[in-house]
This record gives sequence, C-alpha cells and structure tokens, in this order.
Amino acid sequence: EPEVTQTPSHQVTQMGQEVILRCVPISNHLYFYWYRQILGQKVEFLVSFYNNEISEKSEIFDDQFSVERPDGSNFTLKIRSTKLEDSAMYFCASSEGTGVTEAFFGQGTRLTVV
Amino acid sequence: GEDVEQSLFLSVREGDSSVINCTYTDSSSTYLYWYKQEPGAGLQLLTYIFSNMDMKQDQRLTVLLNKKDKHLSLRIADTQTGDSAIYFCAEKESGGGADGLTFGKGTHLIIQP
Repeated sequence: EPEVTQTPSHQVTQMGQEVILRCVPISNHLYFYWYRQILGQKVEFLVSFYNNEISEKSEIFDDQFSVERPDGSNFTLKIRSTKLEDSAMYFCASSEGTGVTEAFFGQGTRLTVV
Repeated sequence: GEDVEQSLFLSVREGDSSVINCTYTDSSSTYLYWYKQEPGAGLQLLTYIFSNMDMKQDQRLTVLLNKKDKHLSLRIADTQTGDSAIYFCAEKESGGGADGLTFGKGTHLIIQP
C-alpha cells in the first residue's frame, strides 16, 4: 500500500540552526501539506502546496518557514533559524485532490530544539 | 477561531463499545473527520461525515453528528486490542484533502483485557 514517508524520524538541532524536514508524498498525489503537533497540544495546520506554490498557510507559517518541492518526489519544510518553541512533531500529508478525498499522513518527524 | 475539543483518555473493556466524543465551535464546518494514530504511525483517516448528515455507519464504526449542539461522536462496536490508538476529531469548512483541518488534541483509547 502506498504511503507517505518522512525522514528523519527524530531530529535534534541547536537553537538558531537551520533544519530541513523531508517528506516523500505518494507518487500520484498533487496536493501536499505540513502539520505540526507540539507535545500535549493540538495538531495544527501549517501550509498546503499545489502546483509548485503555496495555496494556503496558517499564522504559524511565518518567514522562518519555507516549503519546496525540489524534484519530482520530495517535499521539504525548512525552518531557517530554529527556536525552542519549534520543538514539535511535524507531519507531512498528501492527497490526490481536494474534493472529498483522503489525505494520507506520514509517521511524523520529531524535532527537538535544544 | 475554530476550536475542537475532546477528552484526553477513554478506557474500555475488550468487547465493549467505545464512544469517543468531540465538540467543535465553527458553525460553518462542512466536513468532520475521525483520524486514528497508532504508535509510531501517521494519522490514518477512519471516516468522515458531511454536516448535512446525522449518522454514518461503516462496519464497526458509527459516527453521530448533532449539528445543533456541534457535537460529534465515534462509536466503535466490539472494541478490540487493535483499536488501541489515539483518535483525533477534525473539521474543516469546505473541500476535502487536508487543507486547513482543525484538529482536537486526540483521545487515547485504552483497552482493558
């Protein structure tokens, strides 16, 4: 069964460092998303991406964040200068369309900023 | 803004029914979802319901929607040990996919033998 894969499963980084979280969406999917969950809090929408551009983003997704689809298979989330409060589980998701269509989520990358 | 609330834990005996409850605030919610997360895995869509429906049944799963009270529930009949997971309620105003979903904190379903 096709699945969304995320790497690494756990990343530890020092405050102020740049970090790139990687995702491989399902191959025929066209829509891509990032969500995050701070420990003990809700899963929060960050950004959606379609046709090589951001289609929607939340207030959380400020200038420190960027997304990219550098090739035909990867979808990345970059945090330029990490802060302690960026520590969270980051989930990537992809979907075929935006009708009533299932979005498939990856297993998440746990980011720890120290 | 939109808010989705769930209780954090639910403990049931194996073989009993589990009922996981969720309340939401956004009256323009069009789609309501239940996701399941098993340990070390991603969020898996279990089922969804449109806001113009009251009930949806899918094998052991029954979703009930009370739009007036903005209350959504997920009933799992004959709960098994494999149902042990975190269950997330989520809503969005329109469309499908995963664009702008608002999630609850998730309910940990604990199965007692």
